[in-house]
Amino acid sequence: QQQVKQSPQSLIVQKGGISIINCAYENTAFDYFPWYQQFPGKGPALLIAIRPDVSEKKEGRFTISFNKSAKQFSLHIMDSQPGDSATYFCAASYNNNDMRFGAGTRLTVKP
Amino acid sequence: SAVISQKPSRDICQRGTSLTIQCQVDSQVTMMFWYRQQPGQSLTLIATANQGSEATYESGFVIDKFPISRPNLTFSTLTVSNMSPEDSSIYLCSVEEPGGIYGYTFGSGTRLTVV
Repeated sequence: QQQVKQSPQSLIVQKGGISIINCAYENTAFDYFPWYQQFPGKGPALLIAIRPDVSEKKEGRFTISFNKSAKQFSLHIMDSQPGDSATYFCAASYNNNDMRFGAGTRLTVKP
Repeated sequence: SAVISQKPSRDICQRGTSLTIQCQVDSQVTMMFWYRQQPGQSLTLIATANQGSEATYESGFVIDKFPISRPNLTFSTLTVSNMSPEDSSIYLCSVEEPGGIYGYTFGSGTRLTVV
C-alpha cells in the first residue's frame, strides 16, 4: 500500500533547533499532502497540509516545502520544543480518497 | 473538524473470538475509513465505508475477516473476526472533513490485544 516514503525513521533535536522530515511520493495524481502529528495513545491529528499548486505553506512554527517536479515534500519545525515530541506522518491522497501514509518519524526534542 | 467517538478504547480478547469496534461521528459524513496501525508502524487502510453501499476493501483485507457496517451517515462498525495474536493492533476510524474540506479526522483508536 505504501506509496509515500518517509525519512528519517527517528529524529533527535535539541530544544530550539530545526526538525526536518522528508517524504517522497510516486503517484502524480495525488493532490493533497497533509502532515499528521500523533501522541502516544491518541489518533493522528492534522498538523498542516498543502496542495500541489503552491511550493510552501507556513503555519506558526510549522512549514511544508513542496517540490512537485521532484515529487517530494518536507516538514520543517522551527524552534522545536519538547512538547513537539511525537510521531509525525506525511500522507498523500487524490480527491480526498484513499489517503496513504508514510512510515512515520518519531521526533524527540531534548530540553 | 468532526468529532469522533470510538469504542472501546482498548480490549484484551481471546483468540478465536470477535470484537466489534464502534465509530460515532458528530456530523454527517459520506465517507468513513478504517485503518490499522500495528505497534510503532504506519497506518494501513483496511476499507472505505460509504453509507448505503458495501465497504470497499484494500488488498490483503477481506470482508469475512473484517466485516463493516455503515447504517447511517454518522455511524460505522468494524468487526475483527476469529482473532489471532497477529490481529493485535490499533484500529482507527477516520472520516473526511465535512463541508467538502480536504482532510481526515481520526478517532483516538482501539488498542486490541489478542491472547
